[in-house]
This record gives sequence, structure tokens and C-alpha cells, in this order.
Amino acid sequence: AQTVTQSQPEMSVQEAETVTLSCTYDTSESDYYLFWYKQPPSRQMILVIRQEAYKQQNATENRFSVNFQKAAKSFSLKISDSQLGDAAMYFCAIMDSNYQLIWGAGTKLIIKP
Amino acid sequence: NAGVMQNPRHLVRRRGQEARLRCSPMKGHSHVYWYRQLPEEGLKFMVYLQKENIIDESGMPKERFSAEFPKEGPSILRIQQVVRGDSAAYFCASSPPGQPSYNEQFFGPGTRLTVL
Repeated sequence: AQTVTQSQPEMSVQEAETVTLSCTYDTSESDYYLFWYKQPPSRQMILVIRQEAYKQQNATENRFSVNFQKAAKSFSLKISDSQLGDAAMYFCAIMDSNYQLIWGAGTKLIIKP
Repeated sequence: NAGVMQNPRHLVRRRGQEARLRCSPMKGHSHVYWYRQLPEEGLKFMVYLQKENIIDESGMPKERFSAEFPKEGPSILRIQQVVRGDSAAYFCASSPPGQPSYNEQFFGPGTRLTVL
């Protein structure tokens, strides 16, 4: 069975600084996809970034980047130049051939002005 | 292109009543997924449907819960004889035709079900 672990229930960062959210996972498959989703107070689930496991290059999307360590089964999210609008719950998720998204418990990100 | 639509956004039911949650996928999407989110937790997969077919319902409770995605109209998640433990946010997601694991799932705003 796949599992996703987010060990940081809450993180805070000063506006304009950088923060890294941790995620580890477990899967027996060699081909899978990893995602970071953002859930603001509106509760809408928004895709932040996605990584294909077969790609060694870390995905980036503007201020968001990942550090994907396949052997360690680690998939951390780095947010650079944090903005007030980044405040939200962040969820790490994995999808394999079963097309189910398996989710971590989430990390609440607080941005200090 | 409108996103995934869910209604109602909030639903209050008394114990023993039925709850019907609706999801209209994005235009052109033929895959629908339902997830449940309990307070302070991540989402849990419930069911995956394509038009007129249930592909995977391994995450759905065996009793009282059912889902459908008819040829015409929205996908429906139905909960019969609701209990307080059913109180949660229910999210629907959709993805376009093709291999599901390659496609991003687009999420609706969710329906928050409260059982009194």
C-alpha cells in the first residue's frame, strides 16, 4: 500500500523568505507521479507542481520548485520569495497506475508579514 | 471553460436522511473521482467513474454510499441514512480522456456535509 507522510503539521515563514515543506512517501511501483496541492481558506484544491518519477530533473513552476530524491522517497517543496497569498494548507500526493491520489495529512503554511 | 462544478456547496442533513452531492466535470472530461476530507486530514479516495461505468470503488464504504456518472448529467454521490461520521468535505475531480495517471485531476470547490 502506498503512504504519504508530511511530518510538519505547521510551518511559518517571513514574507519574501524561502521555506521548504517536507514529504516522504512509500510505494512499490517504479512509475508514479507526485504532486503538491495547495488548499487556501476557500478550500479549493489547486495544483502547485507535479513530478514524474521517471524524470530526474526537478520540476519548477515560477517560485515553486521540488527536491525529488527517488532513492530516499522524498519530495520536498521549496517556495521562494514567499508571499501573503501563499498562506494555505499544502498537501503532498502520489498517484500510480491505480490512478488514485493518495494524500498526506497536510502542512499549514503561515506567512508572517 | 468553466471548472469542475459541485453543488450544493453546503449541505445540512439530520441523521437518517439522504444526501445527494452533484459534480459536473470540466467540459471534455470523461473521468470523475470522488474524495472525502475529514477535518485536519488529507483527502481519501472514494470512487473513480467514467461515463456509465464505475471503474474503482475500493475507497467507498460498502453500505449506504453509492455513486453514478450517467451518460447525461452530473455525477452523483449518494449517501443514504446519513450518520454524524459522514460529516466531511466531499471533493470531486475530473480529468480528460486518456490514461488517467498521466492527467492532472482538476478539483471542484467541494461540498461540505454536516450531519446534525
